[in-house]
Formats: sequence, C-alpha cells, structure tokens
Amino acid sequence: DAGVTQSPTHLIKTRGQQVTLRCSPISGHKSVSWYQQVLGQGPQFIFQYYEKEERGRGNFPDRFSARQFPNYSSELNVNALLLGDSALYLCASSPAVYSNQPQHFGDGTRLSIL
Amino acid sequence: SQKIEQNSEALNIQEGKTATLTCNYTNYSPAYLQWYRQDPGRGPVFLLLIRENEKEKRKERLKVTFDTTLKQSLFHITASQPADSATYLCALSPDSSYKLIFGSGTRLLVRP
Repeated sequence: DAGVTQSPTHLIKTRGQQVTLRCSPISGHKSVSWYQQVLGQGPQFIFQYYEKEERGRGNFPDRFSARQFPNYSSELNVNALLLGDSALYLCASSPAVYSNQPQHFGDGTRLSIL
Repeated sequence: SQKIEQNSEALNIQEGKTATLTCNYTNYSPAYLQWYRQDPGRGPVFLLLIRENEKEKRKERLKVTFDTTLKQSLFHITASQPADSATYLCALSPDSSYKLIFGSGTRLLVRP
C-alpha cells in the first residue's frame, strides 16, 4: 500500500511569492495534518483537517491556509512568503482524529525562500 | 509555560550497548505519549505509543516508560546497531484532538 505522498519534494521561491503544497493520505485515512519543521527542531503543528473540516490550527499567521478535498487529499497554501518560512513541510494522515492513533508522515516538501 | 524537552546533545554509544533517551514535559497532562524515528531528509516514522496508565511498553528491542508523576518518558534501544542511528522524537497530544506537540529530538549515533 502507498504511504503518504507529498509534492513537490523540493521548491525554491522568493520573498513575497505564494506556494501550494500537496498531500495524498494513505487510502482510507480521513484525517490530514500539516507540520512545519525547521532545521534542528521538531515538527510544529499547523493544521488538522478531518472529513474536509478544519479541526485544529496551530500558532501560525493567516498567511497559512489549507483545505481538504472530498478524496481526503489536502493542500497547504502559504502567501507572502518570508525568509523564515524556509522549512520542511510535513503532511501526516491517520484514520480518524483521535490522539491514540499513530500519525503516518510523508517525506515532506523542502521549501527554500530566497 | 508548556514545554516538551529532549536532550539536544547527540547520544554517541557503542554498538551492542543500550541507548536511553529522555523526554520531559511541563504543564501538560497527556493521555498518550508517542515516539518517532526520523532519518535525514525523511518524515518521522511512528515507533511506539504509551498510555498514561501504562508504565512500560515494549516492541522488539525498543522499550518506552511513562512516568506521569515525574512527567517523563524514557526510550530505550537494547543491543543497539549502527542502523539505529537517527533522530528520535517524542510527542504528546495536549487534548482530545490529534494535534501533536513534538520535542526537538535527540540524535543517536551508534558506533560499529
């Protein structure tokens, strides 16, 4: 079975631009979460979506937005990119929204802002 | 303030020894705590989950303990191998949702 897939794997943007990152969860998983991981730090929670509805939001500015589609895939959008947005963006899926389930992570999108 | 802390210094051990990694948290009361492994350039991979009413959980060479009084979890790898070299992350969920709060990870290096 395919794991969580993310695209693109790498992306280079300049300040002020906008970016869209994509995630396909494991088949049958209805919950998708997004995390930002800065080099040397642990992942930091951005959003959680379940059944196409936002279920949680981390401490990120409104420049960050996301959505989940009927097939449970998800997109993360970041507007007005800043140098500090350079990071590995991880998508994770799980069957449901409960905290007693492991998260299955993709290998992320490496975003570099010049 | 709420914090989850892991030793930021790399742990360097000899093959065959037991590696012990520490995760401490403050101002959280998690019902569950999880451990993940992350290799360079890859996403975290789930290893073990332990509930607050479980003192210890084992899976093959891995063992996790959870002490809610000390607010600490210990992660052990017995008979360590060079292939165990990676960064290990602990994570907890502060509420009933699936938002995970991660520590910054501890890098483990196992020398042959």
